[in-house]
Amino acid sequence: QKEVEQNSGPLSVPEGAIASLNCTYSDRVSQSFFWYRQYSGKSPELIMSIYSNGDKEDGRFTAQLNKASQYVSLLIRDSQPSDSATYLCAVTDKLIFGTGTRLQVFP
Amino acid sequence: KAGVTQTPRYLIKTRGQQVTLSCSPISGHRSVSWYQQTPGQGLQFLFEYFSETQRNKGNFPGRFSGRQFSNSRSEMNVSTLELGDSALYLCASSIGTTGNTIYFGEGSWLTVV
Repeated sequence: QKEVEQNSGPLSVPEGAIASLNCTYSDRVSQSFFWYRQYSGKSPELIMSIYSNGDKEDGRFTAQLNKASQYVSLLIRDSQPSDSATYLCAVTDKLIFGTGTRLQVFP
Repeated sequence: KAGVTQTPRYLIKTRGQQVTLSCSPISGHRSVSWYQQTPGQGLQFLFEYFSETQRNKGNFPGRFSGRQFSNSRSEMNVSTLELGDSALYLCASSIGTTGNTIYFGEGSWLTVV
């Protein structure tokens, strides 16, 4: 089992819809979780972090953490074509990244 | 303030050669970590340095090495290059404490021919 797992996708959603990206992790004691966005040929850029159970909202983005289920998710509301990228889930306690989910938002 | 700076951005090397990549972290950041990214394997952790000491190391062969200088700048070296070493090498910096936000440089694209 990989330490951080993500569905590779692609996840295709229409413009304006909600995109839901999921991530599971294996180390129960992990405390720090980050979502990064990576456009093709570019380096990852930070979207947001989450440390506590529950939801954390930042603009169109909402991160959700459930430590009991070892599950982190990222919701993108009102998806735009410019959101088309690969989204990486990271457990930064151990600097482990998932392989990423490719999101495609079509007009 | 300036971000994480990596040099060179692009390079082509021949099998058997060695390569050194450089990374200057964000001012005030004392932790530098290195990653290899390939299409098949995703982003894989190489090593992390803090205050000139290697704090963590990923599962890579000894051909991959690194170091950090007193000004927090870091270098990584790959010796006896193999075709499979072709990848994007990313450096990231953070203030230092585990769990802090890490910020990536633009990466060094290495092609081994």
